[in-house]
Amino acid sequence: NAGVMQNPRHLVRRRGQEARLRCSPMKGHSHVYWYRQLPEEGLKFMVYLQKENIIDESGMPKERFSAEFPKEGPSILRIQQVVRGDSAAYFCASSPPDKVGNQPQHFGDGTRLSIL
Amino acid sequence: AQKITQTQPGMFVQEKEAVTLDCTYDTSDQSYGLFWYKQPSSGEMIFLIYQGSYDEQNATEGRYSLNFQKARKSANLVISASQLGDSAMYFCAMNNDYKLSFGAGTTVTVRA
Repeated sequence: NAGVMQNPRHLVRRRGQEARLRCSPMKGHSHVYWYRQLPEEGLKFMVYLQKENIIDESGMPKERFSAEFPKEGPSILRIQQVVRGDSAAYFCASSPPDKVGNQPQHFGDGTRLSIL
Repeated sequence: AQKITQTQPGMFVQEKEAVTLDCTYDTSDQSYGLFWYKQPSSGEMIFLIYQGSYDEQNATEGRYSLNFQKARKSANLVISASQLGDSAMYFCAMNNDYKLSFGAGTTVTVRA
């Protein structure tokens, strides 16, 4: 499968723990985006990264959330000290480096995070 | 700020019939892209079709076509010859530069 790979598919954490969500973009894609989907809602933009750079994190909560896309390895969305309100589906998408604005973003299958 | 509106929370369609899903958008930008995604009950997001704001022809991809009316700021999705496997949630989205803004979605249920 050469698509966007996210893992884990499901993640359960207790309040106060850390959640780490991983995303490997499609081959040849150097742009990664993270979105959050609350139940019965559309996806909301969180952060846009290129290799080793955060381009736009305006949709990400200022506290407890961080994202990275290192030179080697997958992009990581980290949520520290999780709370019940963090329960959601988190999607990663990627796009190729050229014509960023009008290229479709290809999504992974998402990580469903449940907080006990 | 961009806004996407999908006014139909749910729709039923008979197998083999066509269905139109409404989408209107609001933006002050001249250059933008419009997308439709399908989300089946298994949860993944599947890209269906794309329309650029400067494209003069309506986009088509197999049984999917996009009825783009720029002056009315609408980008309706038409699914022809519905199949049972088309039952899913459908999201309209707009892209300016890199951010995708999504509508609330429309649930389509195809009846045999």
